[in-house]
Amino acid sequence: SYEVTQPPSVSVSPGQTASITCSGDKLGNKYVCWYQQKPGQSPVLVIFQDNKRPSGIPERFSGSNSGNTATLTISGTQAMDEADYYCQAWDSSTWVFGGGTKLTVL
Amino acid sequence: EVQLVESGGGLVQPGGSLRLSCAASGFAFSSYEMNWVRQAPGKGLEWVSYISSSGSTIYYADSVRGRFTISRDNAKNSLFLQMNSLRAEDTAVYYCARSPDSGTFDYWGQGTLVTVSS
Repeated sequence: SYEVTQPPSVSVSPGQTASITCSGDKLGNKYVCWYQQKPGQSPVLVIFQDNKRPSGIPERFSGSNSGNTATLTISGTQAMDEADYYCQAWDSSTWVFGGGTKLTVL
Repeated sequence: EVQLVESGGGLVQPGGSLRLSCAASGFAFSSYEMNWVRQAPGKGLEWVSYISSSGSTIYYADSVRGRFTISRDNAKNSLFLQMNSLRAEDTAVYYCARSPDSGTFDYWGQGTLVTVSS
């Protein structure tokens, strides 16, 4: 079965750029979504179809996907961005999530 | 405003059954694909099941196939998950999630907790 892999944690200083990767075989051939989840809350879609932002998501969130790696980039990271982030892809009638990355803003 | 409200969770013994519901409002429910996604305590997200807008196409994760059944009632704007032969590893918060296309979950409910324990 298809799998995607994320680093367990990423740290970033306020105002700096955070990059969270998601790796999978030929992932660039699939659409990738990214979700933000804060403690005790439901996931929120922040990027869909590799690089599109839903209405209401700040411009500092962007995405890319090529080869075997998709990347979520948060520019000018703010304290409010501290959360768990999950990538997700669709493959052969199966929806796959990465294990999640805890983003710490310190 | 899009709203998805899950209900039906609770404590159940191993081998037991539960039926989860998801009440949808604020959008044309019958036009959207829907999914169930779960999250075990302290763990990541796991997709559980998918149903097309008409209900004619259904998919399940290997971990639940043969035990869980997804369904929908478009007249009542409701999504369901019948869970049978429950196991301890099914313990999780279960979310319903809307799909505007097959690859994206754009709105999520608040979740309902299912605990399988004796």
